[in-house]
Amino acid sequence: AQSVTQLGSHVSVSEGALVLLRCNYSSSVPPYLFWYVQYPNQGLQLLLKYTSAATLVKGINGFEAEFKKSETSFHLTKPSAHMSDAAEYFCAVKNNNDMRFGAGTRLTVKP
Amino acid sequence: KAGVTQTPRYLIKTRGQQVTLSCSPISGHRSVSWYQQTPGQGLQFLFEYFSETQRNKGNFPGRFSGRQFSNSRSEMNVSTLELGDSALYLCASSPGPIRDRGYNEQFFGPGTRLTVL
Repeated sequence: AQSVTQLGSHVSVSEGALVLLRCNYSSSVPPYLFWYVQYPNQGLQLLLKYTSAATLVKGINGFEAEFKKSETSFHLTKPSAHMSDAAEYFCAVKNNNDMRFGAGTRLTVKP
Repeated sequence: KAGVTQTPRYLIKTRGQQVTLSCSPISGHRSVSWYQQTPGQGLQFLFEYFSETQRNKGNFPGRFSGRQFSNSRSEMNVSTLELGDSALYLCASSPGPIRDRGYNEQFFGPGTRLTVL
């Protein structure tokens, strides 16, 4: 079964700094990969998705992710962090009949 | 379009009781999935319903059950509540089932926060 691993349960950056959230996947077939964001007391919101088209995927709020098959990675980046980016981020992979989520990475943005 | 709605948003129950949570998907969406989110276990898949049929079920005891109505609205039920059932229960909808080749997105509701005392 496909799965994802998020490296780092907590990431802290300064406002204006680069954001890098790591996600590695395991999949025996070309994967469908997703990044979601969750703000406190809310559900998950889709940031971006990879569905075997372009390897560099651009999402909402200035985020993007690059699918690297050789590294089995799908890391999420944003060039300049904003205070409003503070939230929990989840990487997910579509399995045969369900979605598998990573454990999540909590992003803190310092002023 | 209105988003996915879940009711109630907050619920407090005691051990041994049962609870029913409701989810209304986005109009036109026929697939509804349920997830349990806890600090220790993260997001875990409970089950998916499509066209009133359960398509897949996660690794949860039989106390967790669900159903879907002809208008695609879904309910999940937890019987004989345990302290460990305290969690945020999320519902997600999509036009078709997860296993579809063209499947590529789920839309999440705000969740129901269940506290079991």
